[in-house]
Amino acid sequence: GAVVSQHPSWVICKSGTSVKIECRSLDFQATTMFWYRQFPKQSLMLMATSNEGSKATYEQGVEKDKFLINHASLTLSTLTVTSAHPEDSSFYICSASSSNWNTEAFFGQGTRLTVV
Amino acid sequence: KQEVTQIPAALSVPEGENLVLNCSFTDSAIYNLQWFRQDPGKGLTSLLLIQSSQREQTSGRLNASLDKSSGRSTLYIAASQPGDSATYLCAVFDSGQNFVFGPGTRLSVLP
Repeated sequence: GAVVSQHPSWVICKSGTSVKIECRSLDFQATTMFWYRQFPKQSLMLMATSNEGSKATYEQGVEKDKFLINHASLTLSTLTVTSAHPEDSSFYICSASSSNWNTEAFFGQGTRLTVV
Repeated sequence: KQEVTQIPAALSVPEGENLVLNCSFTDSAIYNLQWFRQDPGKGLTSLLLIQSSQREQTSGRLNASLDKSSGRSTLYIAASQPGDSATYLCAVFDSGQNFVFGPGTRLSVLP
């Protein structure tokens, strides 16, 4: 199957700083990328959907100024957590899909963010 | 709004047993349904993908069925092994072009 690479796999940062997480589709063009957040022992919650070259669509309750998403190319999307706080500590996972909606969803390995 | 539920929430079985995990969704207008495995602190591993026009998919000891009209899918695991212990998530890709995940079933297979 196709490969989605997410980096970093884990990061620790201080409160008030910003953290950027990258999601790359290595062998296919991802016209759409999804960003999810997962709290311990809970399922994944969709944060936003990004289409290449356009602004991301955020789910209700997700602060777009805090979670900046950029999908500048067909192989790269980034999530930047700005002015991070301890409550932002979570597991973030991206997934990528091609333009064919019947294709399989491919997920990154996830990034564990800890804000201290 | 699409909602996905999974039963049971947790399951503990002895090694060798066959088991069934259930997934239900409220809106049958889906493009496909996927079953994933998630190990603690790890990302997702795709197990099986069933298109909306299909009724089942098989991969090794795994078999997933889909009854779109009733909004149900089952994941059948044959001859369970301790290495199967993980959380199993189902997700539908719906007409809103979003993946909607169920809460997951935590499986423990005891040696």
